[in-house]
Amino acid sequence: NAGVMQNPRHLVRRRGQEARLRCSPVKGHSHVYWYRQLPEEGLKFMVYLQKENIIDESGMPKERFSAEFPKEGPSILRIQQVVRGDSAAYFCASSPTGDGYGYTFGSGTRLTVV
Amino acid sequence: DQQVKQNSPSLSVQEGRISILNCDYTNSMFDYFLWYKKYPAEGPTFLISISSIKDKNEDGRFTVFLNKSAKHLSLHIVPSQPGDSAVYFCAARSGSARQLTFGSGTQLTVLP
Repeated sequence: NAGVMQNPRHLVRRRGQEARLRCSPVKGHSHVYWYRQLPEEGLKFMVYLQKENIIDESGMPKERFSAEFPKEGPSILRIQQVVRGDSAAYFCASSPTGDGYGYTFGSGTRLTVV
Repeated sequence: DQQVKQNSPSLSVQEGRISILNCDYTNSMFDYFLWYKKYPAEGPTFLISISSIKDKNEDGRFTVFLNKSAKHLSLHIVPSQPGDSAVYFCAARSGSARQLTFGSGTQLTVLP
């Protein structure tokens, strides 16, 4: 399967813990996007990365959230000191180019903060 | 500020009839529009798109119409099938941005 792989599918964290969400893009895709979907809402852009570079993080909360896409390995979305409001579905998408066309989404990670 | 709006949270249609899903936008810089379909516990899947230089794009049972003056687009599915039951998201992109702006989605239920 050459699709976008996200893991874990479900993640439960207690308030104050750290959450790490992983995304392996489609083979050959070097552009990765993270989106968050809160309950009853649409997907909201968080960050756009290329290998080893953050290109646009305009949708990322200023504190506690960080993202990386290293030269080797998956892209990681990291949430420190999670709060209940972080509970959401986090989707990763990849594309072969950075022009916003040809997105392929993963199945998402559902984060629940208890 | 919701730049892409889907005002109908849900829609029920009889199998074989036409489904019409609507989407409005406010940002006149949007130049490319997409529809995604999403099943529970899965990621969105691309369905069909349209550039702002066109007013219609058709792919099999799916047709997207764009009315730029009204800042309105719609997705027509005909004939509707039970397997079409899913949440449909409208999304838009402006020329300079790489990210998509999504609406809140419409749950389509096709009744057998």
